Amino acid sequence: AQSVTQPDIHITVSEGASLELRCNYSYGATPYLFWYVQSPGQGLQLLLKYFSGDTLVQGIKGFEAEFKRSQSSFNLRKPSVHWSDAAEYFCAVGVRSLMEYGNKLVFGAGTILRVKS
Amino acid sequence: DSGVTQTPKHLITATGQRVTLRCSPRSGDLSVYWYQQSLDQGLQFLIQYYNGEERAKGNILERFSAQQFPDLHSELNLSSLELGDSALYFCASSVGGTVNTEAFFGQGTRLTVV
Repeated sequence: AQSVTQPDIHITVSEGASLELRCNYSYGATPYLFWYVQSPGQGLQLLLKYFSGDTLVQGIKGFEAEFKRSQSSFNLRKPSVHWSDAAEYFCAVGVRSLMEYGNKLVFGAGTILRVKS
Repeated sequence: DSGVTQTPKHLITATGQRVTLRCSPRSGDLSVYWYQQSLDQGLQFLIQYYNGEERAKGNILERFSAQQFPDLHSELNLSSLELGDSALYFCASSVGGTVNTEAFFGQGTRLTVV
């Protein structure tokens, strides 16, 4: 079965420090991978996605992620964290359904990022 | 603003009742998805519709049902509500229905069952 593991429930970093959030997936087919961010009381906003091609993908707000097939990982990074980055981050894998035009996202449990000044 | 509109934003109801959550997708999007977010289960996929037809189904309870109407808006109906149904329910939409498509999420409906 498909699954996504985010090993860190909470991460605290200092403002201006670099950030890496870990994500491992389990999926038998070609993975379509996503990172979403959820601020308190808000919906999910797509940060970036990987479908194919260059394994280093750039997203919004200065985030990037690297797909490593050999490690089944898709870790999210940011070189310098801002206080406004404090939020919950979700990694997800897109999974096809048996029906044409059918699909779903399988999410990890999320990582809560705290930024200290 | 993702362009996906969910109403109502908050809903408080009693056990045993029935509620309807509404979702208007982004203009031009044919797929609508419903997800449930709870503290113990995390984000769970419920169901997907593409152009009015059900295309993918998750572990959606039999007490829950959904549909997508000809104007592409969708409704999620929750009946015989239990305390455990309290959660944040998200709707998302995408242009296509294939796996390599971006889904845009609404702000959610927070359901509290008392």
